[in-house]
Amino acid sequence: DADVTQTPRNRITKTGKRIMLECSQTKGHDRMYWYRQDPGLGLRLIYYSFDVKDINKGEISDGYSVSRQAQAKFSLSLESAIPNQTALYFCAIGTGGGNEQFFGPGTRLTVL
Amino acid sequence: RKEVEQDPGPFNVPEGATVAFNCTYSNSASQSFFWYRQDCRKEPKLLMSVYSSGNEDGRFTAQLNRASQYISLLIRDSKLSDSATYLCVVKLMDTGRRALTFGSGTRLQVQP
Repeated sequence: DADVTQTPRNRITKTGKRIMLECSQTKGHDRMYWYRQDPGLGLRLIYYSFDVKDINKGEISDGYSVSRQAQAKFSLSLESAIPNQTALYFCAIGTGGGNEQFFGPGTRLTVL
Repeated sequence: RKEVEQDPGPFNVPEGATVAFNCTYSNSASQSFFWYRQDCRKEPKLLMSVYSSGNEDGRFTAQLNRASQYISLLIRDSKLSDSATYLCVVKLMDTGRRALTFGSGTRLQVQP
């Protein structure tokens, strides 16, 4: 089984819809992250969490919210999706040393 | 100016060639450095850390020049399987940014 799983893997939705992307892990790491990847822009950090009670905004948090339901689960929500949120979204986990991150397989989101 | 800059490529090289990528970073407070590899439509995975004294892992050599704020990756005897995008990654010392900053990647295509 994969260490980090993401659901759904692909999603097409319409402008204005609420979308939730889910991430779960089996490695027991405290740190979890959400990134989006756009062509030519690389990975950009949306939100990160160092434990269940610690949620922090990344560089592009506007239009997104997160929930850390348990140590192993970290969900990303788009309250009202817009077309420029079309991207590849990755969840990642990390250890306290923070040097290596392990990524999930990604969710390809298209907002029409 | 981007915090981490890379030549997007693509670098097209024949099998067996030696190829080098450079990456520059803007924040002199950067503490740790890495190269990640990302295959097409897949998640990024850690390739190697970059140490101040330079380090080698098989056919891969990474070097860091703090004075000039750049990092390099050298691949010797290129294989078809080396075809991928290579992401330069920097970790800041500033504890307010407890996450990694990714470059947008350099694409390598090794040809038979």
